[in-house]
Amino acid sequence: KAGVTQTPRYLIKTRGQQVTLSCSPISGHRSVSWYQQTPGQGLQFLFEYFSETQRNKGNFPGRFSGRQFSNSRSEMNVSTLELGDSALYLCASRSGARNQPQHFGDGTRLSIL
Amino acid sequence: GQNIDQPTEMTATEGAIVQINCTYQTSGFNGLFWYQQHAGEAPTFLSYNVLDGLEEKGRFSSFLSRSKGYSYLLLKELQMKDSASYLCAVRALGSGGGADGLTFGKGTHLIIQP
Repeated sequence: KAGVTQTPRYLIKTRGQQVTLSCSPISGHRSVSWYQQTPGQGLQFLFEYFSETQRNKGNFPGRFSGRQFSNSRSEMNVSTLELGDSALYLCASRSGARNQPQHFGDGTRLSIL
Repeated sequence: GQNIDQPTEMTATEGAIVQINCTYQTSGFNGLFWYQQHAGEAPTFLSYNVLDGLEEKGRFSSFLSRSKGYSYLLLKELQMKDSASYLCAVRALGSGGGADGLTFGKGTHLIIQP
């Protein structure tokens, strides 16, 4: 079974630009969550989608948004990029059961110049 | 909100045993997960506890006490490949992380020495 796939792996942008990251979950997984990981703050929850609906959202500004498609693939968008947005963005998928763990992709490393 | 504390760094010797502690404050506790993350790689799932007690899985065991807001990850027969960051994560209901979003500690960087 293929794991969680994130594209691109690396991305360099400049301040003020916007970026879209993509995540394909494990086949059959309907829940997709996004996290931001930085050395100072660790892993922080961005949002979670299930069946094309955003179920939960972390404490991030509205510049961070996402969506999920009918095939469970998800995209995350960050607008008006700031230097502080430089981070590793991780996507995780999970089957519907609550006691099942989230499985992470390798992430997209975003650098803002 | 939620608060999760774990030591920043620990050092242990190959072949020995190490215990990584995690304390948390949260309302609506709904499970605790441990993940391992090697540098430059994705976190990988190690264990899950939702009821009090010990869960054993090979060289790895995890313990939970809900009344104390405390968990630990026990690693036995340490190998050099166990050098990694270990992340404690709590799932809670009705929190900023939502019913299914995990709140992670900042991780414990474990260094294994020969």
